[in-house]
Amino acid sequence: EVQLVQSGAEVKKPGESLKISCKGSGYSFTRFWITWVRQTPGKGLECMGIIDPGDSDTRYSPSFQGQATISVDKSISTAYLQWSTLKASDTAMYYCALMRGDFPAVWGQGSLVTVSS
Amino acid sequence: AIQMTQSPSSLSASVGDRVTITCRPSQGIRNDLGWFQQKPGKAPKLLIYAASSLQSGVPSTFSGSRSDTDFTLTISSLQSEDFATYYCLQYYNFPYTFGQGTKLEIK
Repeated sequence: EVQLVQSGAEVKKPGESLKISCKGSGYSFTRFWITWVRQTPGKGLECMGIIDPGDSDTRYSPSFQGQATISVDKSISTAYLQWSTLKASDTAMYYCALMRGDFPAVWGQGSLVTVSS
Repeated sequence: AIQMTQSPSSLSASVGDRVTITCRPSQGIRNDLGWFQQKPGKAPKLLIYAASSLQSGVPSTFSGSRSDTDFTLTISSLQSEDFATYYCLQYYNFPYTFGQGTKLEIK
């Protein structure tokens, strides 16, 4: 079964760093691009960026360029989303999804990130 | 970025009803559109891709279509498990963009 399993919920303070993960299984990890999607009550679902696990080619949505970093470690079939300096506005649910063609076909269960002083 | 205007934002219906949800992109997207269902506390689930192709395992009560510039998701006969929030997504142009969602509630 194709599956993406994400790391658990995090509670952080503004200014702290964070790296959340998304581990793929049941398929060849380098075969499909992975996207990260942010969900907030105010802005809904937003595509943050996409990454090719094969060569780490990464594209960021202009809204998220410079705000977070997407990476992969293909040796352990895992994608990452990280922040060096969290802000309260980073509070959201974050999903990774496997891109079949150009659309997110299989989703992780989500990682809730709460940033609060 | 391409804007996706989804309507209605909410909808009340009864089991057995036929419902339609519409998305209109701000520019042409060929048929590069998907529909997703999201239930509370769960990740979105792919229902339809390429505007009208049914994802494997999705009931045939769900269908997608395109009429000129508008894309439509139709549920032909609502079941109790269909009450959820639905989103469209254009993947013609990066950054891919979602509609604002339609919350389907029980009447």
